[in-house]
Amino acid sequence: QKEVEQNSGPLSVPEGAIASLNCTYSDRGSQSFFWYRQYSGKSPELIMFIYSNGDKEDGRFTAQLNKASQYVSLLIRDSQPSDSATYLCAVGSGSARQLTFGSGTQLTVLP
Amino acid sequence: DAGITQSPRHKVTETGTPVTLRCHQTENHRYMYWYRQDPGHGLRLIHYSYGVKDTDKGEVSDGYSVSRSKTEDFLLTLESATSSQTSVYFCAISGQDTQYFGPGTRLTVL
Repeated sequence: QKEVEQNSGPLSVPEGAIASLNCTYSDRGSQSFFWYRQYSGKSPELIMFIYSNGDKEDGRFTAQLNKASQYVSLLIRDSQPSDSATYLCAVGSGSARQLTFGSGTQLTVLP
Repeated sequence: DAGITQSPRHKVTETGTPVTLRCHQTENHRYMYWYRQDPGHGLRLIHYSYGVKDTDKGEVSDGYSVSRSKTEDFLLTLESATSSQTSVYFCAISGQDTQYFGPGTRLTVL
């Protein structure tokens, strides 16, 4: 059984701070890694995907992948109250065709 | 939006009744998925389809069946609904680099 673990939170950070969200996975053969954001009552939306070890930056978001440690993280710089949401980590064996989701981390950014 | 609609958006039903949820896409994607989302469990895959009449089971398929007679439509059926199937159901389609989700259906089984 493939497992994806996330701290459920809630995680609270002040506005302007860096929020750090973490995810570990059990399947060493995993090749693709995704971060989704889900606002309350809404559907998940993709923020970023990463396939290679290291960092990938997109605006205020940075995804970090360490396959040796089976660990992927998402950093949100200059956090805004509009970033308050649940963040879902998803892991796939190849493309986005087969994904296993973590249970999500609830983030609150305090004004 | 990725051109995915779900119907109905909300449904309340009674234990033992059949329920069918519909997912419709306008993107012509081959892969379609049904997930359920419950507090503390994240998104769990129920069934998926990789083409017309081609479907397979996911992690939590017991009590559910699916059908796909056209590329654009993927139906999820609860043959005899139980209270444990009260949940939010999301349909998704898959491109190469991501899965796009529909707006969800909130199902309550009394």
